[in-house]
Amino acid sequence: KQEVTQIPAALSVPEGENLVLNCSFTDSAIYNLQWFRQDPGKGLTSLLLIQSSQREQTSGRLNASLDKSSGRSTLYIAASQPGDSATYLCVGAGNQFYFGTGTSLTVIP
Amino acid sequence: NAGVMQNPRHLVRRRGQEARLRCSPMKGHSHVYWYRQLPEEGLKFMVYLQKENIIDESGMPKERFSAEFPKEGPSILRIQQVVRGDSAAYFCASTRTGPYEQYFGPGTRLTVT
Repeated sequence: KQEVTQIPAALSVPEGENLVLNCSFTDSAIYNLQWFRQDPGKGLTSLLLIQSSQREQTSGRLNASLDKSSGRSTLYIAASQPGDSATYLCVGAGNQFYFGTGTSLTVIP
Repeated sequence: NAGVMQNPRHLVRRRGQEARLRCSPMKGHSHVYWYRQLPEEGLKFMVYLQKENIIDESGMPKERFSAEFPKEGPSILRIQQVVRGDSAAYFCASTRTGPYEQYFGPGTRLTVT
């Protein structure tokens, strides 16, 4: 059974720091991996999608990588801002969607 | 290109009433997923539908809950005889073809009094 774990569960950093969120999955048979953010009381906003044939994707200050062989994905956030404070979820797509456990990020002004 | 739409955004029901939640997928998407999020918890899969078909309902409670996605119109999640424990945020997501890139709606927050 696919399990998706995110480390750390919570992270608090001062504004301006670069940071890395980790996502690991137990079964490499995924088609793609998608990163989302969820703000309190809101829905999920898609950040980046990495196909299984890709190694990374970039959007602005965000960079996501995928290493299927090791069962890992990372989300790199450069020059963090208070507006980045949210819960970040990785979701793997195989026969169904597999949701990560989430990382709650707080960026302190 | 409108995103995934859900209505109502907020719904208040008394115990024993019925709740109907609607989800209109993105244009060109014919697959809909429903999720439930209890306060301070993660999203839990409920049901996966394609037009006129239920593909996977393994996450649906056995009683009181049903879902449909008719040929025309939005997908409907129906909860009969609501109880306080049904209070949650219900999200739907749509994809073009099966478990590919998901787009989420803003959610419906159900409160049962």
